[in-house]
Amino acid sequence: DGGITQSPKYLFRKEGQNVTLSCEQNLNHDAMYWYRQDPGQGLRLIYYSQIVNDFQKGDIAEGYSVSREKKESFPLTVTSAQKNPTAFYLCASSIRRRSGANVLTFGAGSRLTVL
Amino acid sequence: GIQVEQSPPDLILQEGANSTLRCNFSDSVNNLQWFHQNPWGQLINLFYIPSGTKQNGRLSATTVATERYSLLYISSSQTTDSGVYFCAVLYNNDMRFGAGTRLTVKP
Repeated sequence: DGGITQSPKYLFRKEGQNVTLSCEQNLNHDAMYWYRQDPGQGLRLIYYSQIVNDFQKGDIAEGYSVSREKKESFPLTVTSAQKNPTAFYLCASSIRRRSGANVLTFGAGSRLTVL
Repeated sequence: GIQVEQSPPDLILQEGANSTLRCNFSDSVNNLQWFHQNPWGQLINLFYIPSGTKQNGRLSATTVATERYSLLYISSSQTTDSGVYFCAVLYNNDMRFGAGTRLTVKP
């Protein structure tokens, strides 16, 4: 079955540690996205990538880094510079169409807790 | 940037009732989607609806792009409809989300 796989589902981290969240898709989608969701809040964009080896910052990129070396993979690293990293992280992908019809498909999410 | 506002923020219904959720956006868009987030956090795409009306079972959606709003209708609500409903619009190559409407359907 095609879809998006995020791992790990739950992650605990000590302050000062970097962690990397994995996102893999087998949908052959061009674009991939990382969103952050805080309790009771909407989704805020961290980074997105339209094609391999290219990515752009979203609204809250500070303290995060990404790479897009392969079409199917878009890992997110939460660095020690992120001041409040405890949150629910969602990865999404879409086919990039000129018409703007980018229908998003989401992974199941990764919940990061900083101890 | 574009503003996406959803109302109401919270909604409590008795099973079987109907409801209407609203999404207002501040600029012209050519891509609007409705999502349902279940209690476990999974987001499911309900509709891609930049304009017009679509129906899928008990759910339907209408977008009036010229007036910059979209409505999601839920009829004969069930407890499994509980969760958070988000609308999102395409802006500068990324999807911008509203804050959501939290729906609770009581048996």
